[in-house]
Amino acid sequence: QVQLQESGPRLVKPSETLSLTCSVSGGFISSYYWSWIRQPAGKGLEWIGRIYPGGNSNYNPALKSRVAMSADTSKNQISLTLTSVSAADTAVYYCARGNAVFGMDVWGQGTTVTVSS
Amino acid sequence: DIQMTQSPSTLSASVGDRVTITCRASESISSWLAWYQQRPGKAPTLLIYKASSLQSGVSSRFRGSGSGTEFTLTISNLQPDDLATYYCQKYNDYLWTFGQGTKVEIK
Repeated sequence: QVQLQESGPRLVKPSETLSLTCSVSGGFISSYYWSWIRQPAGKGLEWIGRIYPGGNSNYNPALKSRVAMSADTSKNQISLTLTSVSAADTAVYYCARGNAVFGMDVWGQGTTVTVSS
Repeated sequence: DIQMTQSPSTLSASVGDRVTITCRASESISSWLAWYQQRPGKAPTLLIYKASSLQSGVSSRFRGSGSGTEFTLTISNLQPDDLATYYCQKYNDYLWTFGQGTKVEIK
């Protein structure tokens, strides 16, 4: 079955750029939306945005000025870039597969990113 | 932007009880609503999609209903394994938004 694995630096300095990768196995990334979601410790889920490989991307208006997502179909990977990070960006970051019928039906295990000097 | 509001924020119930969680949208989202379960320390999992369709492999004790702006998730015969936070999420357009979550505690 499809499995997702998030990876990237666990510690990022304030004002720098957070970069994460979601590696997809057991299926191809085409024909689905791929979302990033984050969750600060003890808080709720925040949808960051989504990308459709070969198509468009949509971002949470609250983060739109700092977020970019990309898809590499040759590597079967989705990437997230978040610029100018602060302590408020410290969270568990999840990637998830989605479509217009099911919502998000497959999730990665999440990766914890801490913003600190 | 459409806002999603869940109630209650926390509920406590006994094993065997039926519990109901409500999710309200600030505008109509038709039936484009999903429910997720997040057990402590784990990633969320999809329970219900399109407001009332049960995701494959999910117990029939979970039932979703509603359309437009008001939705409910009902858990029948509450089990200890249902200890979790439950989130609704809209996906009617290009902005996918979560409710703030409802934590279910077992008495």
